[in-house]
Amino acid sequence: AQKITQTQPGMFVQEKEAVTLDCTYDTSDPSYGLFWYKQPSSGEMIFLIYQGSYDQQNATEGRYSLNFQKARKSANLVISASQLGDSAMYFCAMREGSENFNKFYFGSGTKLNVKP
Amino acid sequence: EAGVAQSPRYKIIEKRQSVAFWCNPISGHATLYWYQQILGQGPKLLIQFQNNGVVDDSQLPKDRFSAERLKGVDSTLKIQPAKLEDSAVYLCASSLNRLGAGVAYEQYFGPGTRLTVT
Repeated sequence: AQKITQTQPGMFVQEKEAVTLDCTYDTSDPSYGLFWYKQPSSGEMIFLIYQGSYDQQNATEGRYSLNFQKARKSANLVISASQLGDSAMYFCAMREGSENFNKFYFGSGTKLNVKP
Repeated sequence: EAGVAQSPRYKIIEKRQSVAFWCNPISGHATLYWYQQILGQGPKLLIQFQNNGVVDDSQLPKDRFSAERLKGVDSTLKIQPAKLEDSAVYLCASSLNRLGAGVAYEQYFGPGTRLTVT
């Protein structure tokens, strides 16, 4: 089974509107973490937001928020007030394991295009 | 603080040749990761080091790929001999692996090395 599933290969959003990028995960570890990264065409991976499995509240970082639904094993990224500079690939990732050893899995990504 | 450094940024080789990539993680980061990212796909973990020991190399094609992290700092990834399907971006990342200091296990990525095998 896929550890991380991103079902939207591509998304379009109008500038200044909000957009949700979907991510579902599969793990039996009680302790895990979920990450979202942005990868512009230049290629660097930029960390956006993190949610720990024990965190009670949904994570927020500026215009980014993570809609964490533990029972559904989903961790959707919400970008509010989209900007042209948000056009990029977005990857959902999961860490599972312990402090001494943890493993990361990445999804296949969603290409977001922000239209002016 | 300085970020993760990688070199070279680009490399073009012919199939069956060998190639090596270098990574210098952020100072103090105990864990180092090498990922392969084929165009249009997400990164795939090849190998993970904790200090200078390998903790996971289950997806490393060991017949042609090798990696080392001497002295627990910088690392090299080698491919010998290269195949056409090795064309990809090779990303190096490092992390503190410590709870309580910012985002737990957050990975910091280098700029990557884009390998083209012809």
